[in-house]
Amino acid sequence: DVKVTQSSRYLVKRTGEKVFLECVQDMDHENMFWYRQDPGLGLRLIYFSYDVKMKEKGDIPEGYSVSREKKERFSLILESASTNQTSMYLCASSFGGFGIYNEQFFGPGTRLTVL
Amino acid sequence: SQQGEEDPQALSIQEGENATMNCSYKTSINNLQWYRQNSGRGLVHLILIRSNEREKHSGRLRVTLDTSKKSSSLLITASRAADTASYFCATDAPSGTYKYIFGTGTRLKVLA
Repeated sequence: DVKVTQSSRYLVKRTGEKVFLECVQDMDHENMFWYRQDPGLGLRLIYFSYDVKMKEKGDIPEGYSVSREKKERFSLILESASTNQTSMYLCASSFGGFGIYNEQFFGPGTRLTVL
Repeated sequence: SQQGEEDPQALSIQEGENATMNCSYKTSINNLQWYRQNSGRGLVHLILIRSNEREKHSGRLRVTLDTSKKSSSLLITASRAADTASYFCATDAPSGTYKYIFGTGTRLKVLA
């Protein structure tokens, strides 16, 4: 079974702190994604990566950066956490290319609270 | 902007009844997927339907796709309390990149 793991289930940080959220997948997937999920807004894509060291901005990249140094690991970085970044963060991965293999496998999520 | 919009936002039914959720989208797609999310957890993929398919089944799930109306429906037959979850549709982005766009979801509650 594909497994996507996230470094923390719950995280509490203070405003201005630098925050690292880690995601690891074990299926050799090319694509990896970071979403945030807020009530009434659904899932919004922050960044995605289609290969090592490659990244593209999603719909809401402001205030975030990402790093993908190894194929299995995709990190989301909040450079200076703010209260409006309090949210559930979901990581996902999928095979690359178009067609039938674009099912996304999600991690359990990290609920981040910024005080 | 949202590509997929689910309807209704919330649905409450009795165990054993069927549940139907709808998804509408705005631009042409290659495929559409449905996901389930149990409370406070990650999403789990349920079913994928391609743009050249009209109907697909998986166990108690039936998905239809009408590309002329840009809509899809998810039917869960003989619902169980364990089906209580949020259900999301996801469509590939209009630009054809690797990313998908998720709707805001339908919250289903199945009462025992």
